[in-house]
Amino acid sequence: DTEVTQTPKHLVMGMTNKKSLKCEQHMGHRAMYWYKQKAKKPPELMFVYSYEKLSINESVPSRFSPECPNSSLLNLHLHALQPEDSALYLCASSQQSNTEAFFGQGTRLTVV
Amino acid sequence: LAKTTQPISMDSYEGQEVNITCSHNNIATNDYITWYQQFPSQGPRFIIQGYKTKVTNEVASLFIPADRKSSTLSLPRVSLSDTAVYYCLVGDMSIRGSTLGRLYFGRGTQLTVWP
Repeated sequence: DTEVTQTPKHLVMGMTNKKSLKCEQHMGHRAMYWYKQKAKKPPELMFVYSYEKLSINESVPSRFSPECPNSSLLNLHLHALQPEDSALYLCASSQQSNTEAFFGQGTRLTVV
Repeated sequence: LAKTTQPISMDSYEGQEVNITCSHNNIATNDYITWYQQFPSQGPRFIIQGYKTKVTNEVASLFIPADRKSSTLSLPRVSLSDTAVYYCLVGDMSIRGSTLGRLYFGRGTQLTVWP
């Protein structure tokens, strides 16, 4: 199994809603990532978890709250988002030194 | 972190060889060079990774000169399905103790393959 599974594939939420994005991998990878990608732009790193601990937060607003319940799961909790937060949210995982990262298909988020 | 520079776009025809060059002048000793491919509304997909000289796999080759300040991704005999954005990443992806894995994407190269 070399897949990173993200759910849901599409999400529409209002600015007062609370929602969560989920990411799952069963490759035994110890690093997991959240990226945000706007149209025609490269993915932007948001968070990195290493061995289930938050190791990198790229100055992401607090309305985005990551969580790593265990080594296979990564969540991104969303609250009070703005329309400009609409984007493709990508999850990725990697094993360790200098190996490839596997990306999920992403969640297309629209904030209305 | 090493900054990368790639052409914004390239055009090719089916069956041709395509070479995409990435400049990374301030690459560090521990940095590897990794290329990803991305189709619209999909996550990036790993293509190839190298540290020096030449690396080849079933889909591409990666050429890295001795000074490692640039690298060239070579795609042999492209097809229409190779139309995508190609990203060059440079960094130390290690996760050893307190060393953190980081993946930063540059602007990428939009490759368009024509029939």
